[in-house]
Amino acid sequence: EAQVTQNPRYLITVTGKKLTVTCSQNMNHEYMSWYRQDPGLGLRQIYYSMNVEVTDKGDVPEGYKVSRKEKRNFPLILESPSPNQTSLYFCASRGGPVGGYTFGSGTRLTVV
Amino acid sequence: AQTVTQSQPEMSVQEAETVTLSCTYDTSESDYYLFWYKQPPSRQMILVIRQEAYKQQNATENRFSVNFQKAAKSFSLKISDSQLGDAAMYFCARETGANNLFFGTGTRLTVIP
Repeated sequence: EAQVTQNPRYLITVTGKKLTVTCSQNMNHEYMSWYRQDPGLGLRQIYYSMNVEVTDKGDVPEGYKVSRKEKRNFPLILESPSPNQTSLYFCASRGGPVGGYTFGSGTRLTVV
Repeated sequence: AQTVTQSQPEMSVQEAETVTLSCTYDTSESDYYLFWYKQPPSRQMILVIRQEAYKQQNATENRFSVNFQKAAKSFSLKISDSQLGDAAMYFCARETGANNLFFGTGTRLTVIP
Protein backbone atom coordinates (compact mmCIF):
# COMPACT_ATOMS: atom_id res chain seq x y z
CA GLU A 1 0.00 0.00 0.00
CA ALA A 2 1.27 3.44 -0.99
CA GLN A 3 1.70 5.48 2.14
CA VAL A 4 3.60 7.99 4.20
CA THR A 5 4.49 6.68 7.64
CA GLN A 6 5.13 9.03 10.53
CA ASN A 7 6.32 8.08 13.96
CA PRO A 8 5.50 8.57 16.72
CA ARG A 9 1.81 9.37 16.56
CA TYR A 10 1.87 11.07 19.94
CA LEU A 11 4.80 12.51 21.84
CA ILE A 12 5.10 14.42 25.09
CA THR A 13 8.51 15.82 25.89
CA VAL A 14 10.20 18.41 28.05
CA THR A 15 11.70 21.70 27.01
CA GLY A 16 15.19 21.35 25.63
CA LYS A 17 15.23 17.60 25.07
CA LYS A 18 16.19 16.84 21.49
CA LEU A 19 13.72 14.78 19.50
CA THR A 20 13.23 13.40 16.02
CA VAL A 21 9.98 12.69 14.23
CA THR A 22 10.48 10.18 11.47
CA CYS A 23 8.80 10.19 8.06
CA SER A 24 9.10 7.51 5.42
CA GLN A 25 7.35 7.05 2.06
CA ASN A 26 7.27 3.97 -0.16
CA MET A 27 6.21 5.65 -3.42
CA ASN A 28 9.64 6.73 -4.66
CA HIS A 29 8.51 10.36 -4.53
CA GLU A 30 11.15 13.01 -4.97
CA TYR A 31 9.31 15.77 -3.12
CA MET A 32 8.67 15.66 0.61
CA SER A 33 7.67 18.31 3.10
CA TRP A 34 6.78 18.98 6.72
CA TYR A 35 3.84 21.04 8.00
CA ARG A 36 2.61 22.09 11.37
CA GLN A 37 -1.07 22.61 12.09
CA ASP A 38 -2.27 25.04 14.72
CA PRO A 39 -5.84 26.13 15.53
CA GLY A 40 -6.91 29.12 13.47
CA LEU A 41 -3.72 29.04 11.39
CA GLY A 42 -4.23 26.05 9.13
CA LEU A 43 -1.19 24.12 7.99
CA ARG A 44 2.07 25.97 7.57
CA GLN A 45 5.11 24.59 5.83
CA ILE A 46 8.26 24.08 7.89
CA TYR A 47 10.74 22.58 5.43
CA TYR A 48 10.60 20.85 2.10
CA SER A 49 12.90 18.74 -0.03
CA MET A 50 12.89 18.50 -3.81
CA ASN A 51 15.23 15.51 -3.83
CA VAL A 52 17.99 13.73 -1.96
CA GLU A 53 20.39 16.16 -0.28
CA VAL A 54 18.21 19.13 -1.37
CA THR A 55 16.26 20.85 1.39
CA ASP A 56 14.84 24.33 1.77
CA LYS A 57 13.00 26.44 4.32
CA GLY A 58 9.27 26.88 4.30
CA ASP A 59 7.31 29.57 6.10
CA VAL A 60 8.11 28.61 9.71
CA PRO A 61 11.55 26.91 9.82
CA GLU A 62 12.84 28.42 13.08
CA GLY A 63 13.68 25.79 15.67
CA TYR A 64 13.59 22.88 13.23
CA LYS A 65 16.08 20.92 11.17
CA VAL A 66 15.63 18.30 8.48
CA SER A 67 17.81 15.97 6.47
CA ARG A 68 17.29 14.00 3.27
CA LYS A 69 20.04 11.43 2.99
CA GLU A 70 17.90 8.96 1.08
CA LYS A 71 14.80 9.39 -1.02
CA ARG A 72 12.35 7.56 1.22
CA ASN A 73 13.15 9.26 4.55
CA PHE A 74 12.73 12.85 5.67
CA PRO A 75 13.08 13.21 9.45
CA LEU A 76 12.14 16.36 11.35
CA ILE A 77 14.54 17.27 14.14
CA LEU A 78 13.88 19.57 17.07
CA GLU A 79 17.26 20.25 18.66
CA SER A 80 15.88 22.13 21.66
CA PRO A 81 12.08 21.97 21.72
CA SER A 82 10.13 24.77 23.31
CA PRO A 83 6.45 24.97 24.36
CA ASN A 84 5.59 27.08 21.29
CA GLN A 85 6.43 24.03 19.16
CA THR A 86 3.51 22.15 20.67
CA SER A 87 1.51 21.35 17.56
CA LEU A 88 0.21 18.72 15.16
CA TYR A 89 2.83 17.84 12.57
CA PHE A 90 2.30 16.33 9.13
CA CYS A 91 4.74 14.90 6.68
CA ALA A 92 3.73 14.75 3.01
CA SER A 93 5.17 13.55 -0.25
CA ARG A 94 4.29 14.33 -3.83
CA GLY A 95 4.89 12.42 -7.02
CA GLY A 96 4.67 13.35 -10.69
CA PRO A 97 3.21 16.33 -12.56
CA VAL A 98 -0.36 15.33 -11.82
CA GLY A 99 0.33 13.39 -8.67
CA GLY A 100 -1.40 14.49 -5.56
CA TYR A 101 0.07 14.85 -2.14
CA THR A 102 0.04 11.93 0.26
CA PHE A 103 0.00 12.86 3.94
CA GLY A 104 1.13 10.91 6.94
CA SER A 105 -1.23 10.34 9.85
CA GLY A 106 0.19 13.20 11.87
CA THR A 107 2.25 13.51 15.06
CA ARG A 108 0.75 15.26 18.03
CA LEU A 109 3.67 16.84 19.88
CA THR A 110 3.38 18.41 23.31
CA VAL A 111 6.36 20.24 24.82
CA VAL A 112 6.05 20.98 28.53
CA ALA B 1 2.03 37.14 -1.19
CA GLN B 2 1.23 33.45 -1.05
CA THR B 3 -2.10 33.64 0.74
CA VAL B 4 -5.13 31.43 0.78
CA THR B 5 -8.18 32.82 2.56
CA GLN B 6 -11.11 30.90 3.96
CA SER B 7 -13.46 33.48 5.40
CA GLN B 8 -15.87 31.05 7.06
CA PRO B 9 -14.37 29.52 10.22
CA GLU B 10 -17.53 27.46 10.77
CA MET B 11 -20.45 26.36 8.65
CA SER B 12 -23.40 24.09 9.26
CA VAL B 13 -25.78 22.29 6.93
CA GLN B 14 -28.83 20.10 7.31
CA GLU B 15 -28.39 16.52 6.26
CA ALA B 16 -29.29 16.06 2.55
CA GLU B 17 -28.96 19.79 1.87
CA THR B 18 -26.27 21.62 -0.10
CA VAL B 19 -23.52 23.78 1.34
CA THR B 20 -20.81 25.91 -0.25
CA LEU B 21 -17.45 26.62 1.35
CA SER B 22 -15.57 29.69 0.14
CA CYS B 23 -11.90 30.10 -0.71
CA THR B 24 -9.93 32.90 -2.31
CA TYR B 25 -6.22 33.00 -3.03
CA ASP B 26 -3.48 35.23 -4.22
CA THR B 27 -0.95 34.36 -6.92
CA SER B 28 1.03 35.84 -9.76
CA GLU B 29 1.42 32.47 -11.49
CA SER B 30 -0.69 31.49 -14.47
CA ASP B 31 -0.62 27.74 -13.98
CA TYR B 32 -1.10 26.00 -10.66
CA TYR B 33 -3.19 23.43 -8.84
CA LEU B 34 -5.90 24.04 -6.28
CA PHE B 35 -7.10 21.51 -3.74
CA TRP B 36 -9.73 20.90 -1.13
CA TYR B 37 -8.75 18.61 1.73
CA LYS B 38 -10.99 17.10 4.35
CA GLN B 39 -9.75 16.47 7.88
CA PRO B 40 -12.14 14.36 9.99
CA PRO B 41 -11.62 13.86 13.74
CA SER B 42 -9.15 11.09 12.91
CA ARG B 43 -6.99 14.06 11.69
CA GLN B 44 -6.06 12.27 8.47
CA MET B 45 -5.74 14.67 5.51
CA ILE B 46 -7.99 13.38 2.74
CA LEU B 47 -7.98 14.84 -0.76
CA VAL B 48 -11.52 15.79 -1.75
CA ILE B 49 -11.02 17.42 -5.13
CA ARG B 50 -8.32 18.95 -7.31
CA GLN B 51 -8.51 21.65 -9.98
CA GLU B 52 -5.88 22.55 -12.56
CA ALA B 53 -5.87 26.28 -13.16
CA TYR B 54 -5.47 26.05 -16.93
CA LYS B 55 -8.64 23.97 -17.21
CA GLN B 56 -11.82 25.97 -17.63
CA GLN B 57 -14.08 23.11 -16.63
CA ASN B 58 -14.93 22.88 -12.96
CA ALA B 59 -13.80 19.67 -11.27
CA THR B 60 -16.42 17.27 -9.92
CA GLU B 61 -16.10 14.21 -7.70
CA ASN B 62 -19.46 12.60 -6.98
CA ARG B 63 -21.27 14.91 -4.53
CA PHE B 64 -18.37 17.38 -4.44
CA SER B 65 -17.87 20.07 -7.05
CA VAL B 66 -16.01 23.34 -7.30
CA ASN B 67 -16.76 26.76 -8.70
CA PHE B 68 -13.42 27.94 -10.03
CA GLN B 69 -13.24 31.60 -11.03
CA LYS B 70 -9.68 32.18 -12.18
CA ALA B 71 -9.94 35.90 -12.81
CA ALA B 72 -11.46 36.44 -9.39
CA LYS B 73 -9.03 33.95 -7.79
CA SER B 74 -11.91 32.14 -6.16
CA PHE B 75 -12.26 28.40 -5.59
CA SER B 76 -15.38 27.39 -3.68
CA LEU B 77 -16.43 23.86 -2.78
CA LYS B 78 -20.01 22.72 -3.09
CA ILE B 79 -21.17 19.65 -1.20
CA SER B 80 -24.50 18.29 -2.40
CA ASP B 81 -26.78 15.91 -0.51
CA SER B 82 -24.73 16.41 2.66
CA GLN B 83 -24.15 13.35 4.81
CA LEU B 84 -23.19 12.97 8.44
CA GLY B 85 -19.81 11.66 7.34
CA ASP B 86 -19.08 14.97 5.65
CA ALA B 87 -18.66 16.64 9.04
CA ALA B 88 -15.01 17.66 9.24
CA MET B 89 -12.55 20.50 8.90
CA TYR B 90 -12.08 21.49 5.26
CA PHE B 91 -8.91 23.12 4.00
CA CYS B 92 -8.42 24.92 0.72
CA ALA B 93 -4.86 24.83 -0.65
CA ARG B 94 -2.91 26.16 -3.59
CA GLU B 95 0.21 24.63 -5.05
CA THR B 96 3.03 26.87 -6.23
CA GLY B 97 5.35 26.22 -9.15
CA ALA B 98 7.87 24.87 -6.67
CA ASN B 99 5.38 22.20 -5.60
CA ASN B 100 4.74 23.82 -2.25
CA LEU B 101 1.26 23.79 -0.78
CA PHE B 102 -0.20 26.86 0.89
CA PHE B 103 -3.24 26.24 3.04
CA GLY B 104 -6.11 28.36 4.23
CA THR B 105 -7.08 28.44 7.89
CA GLY B 106 -9.89 25.94 7.44
CA THR B 107 -13.67 25.77 7.72
CA ARG B 108 -15.27 23.48 10.25
CA LEU B 109 -18.39 21.90 8.77
CA THR B 110 -21.14 20.57 11.01
CA VAL B 111 -23.87 18.38 9.53
CA ILE B 112 -27.17 18.52 11.39
CA PRO B 113 -29.27 15.34 11.32
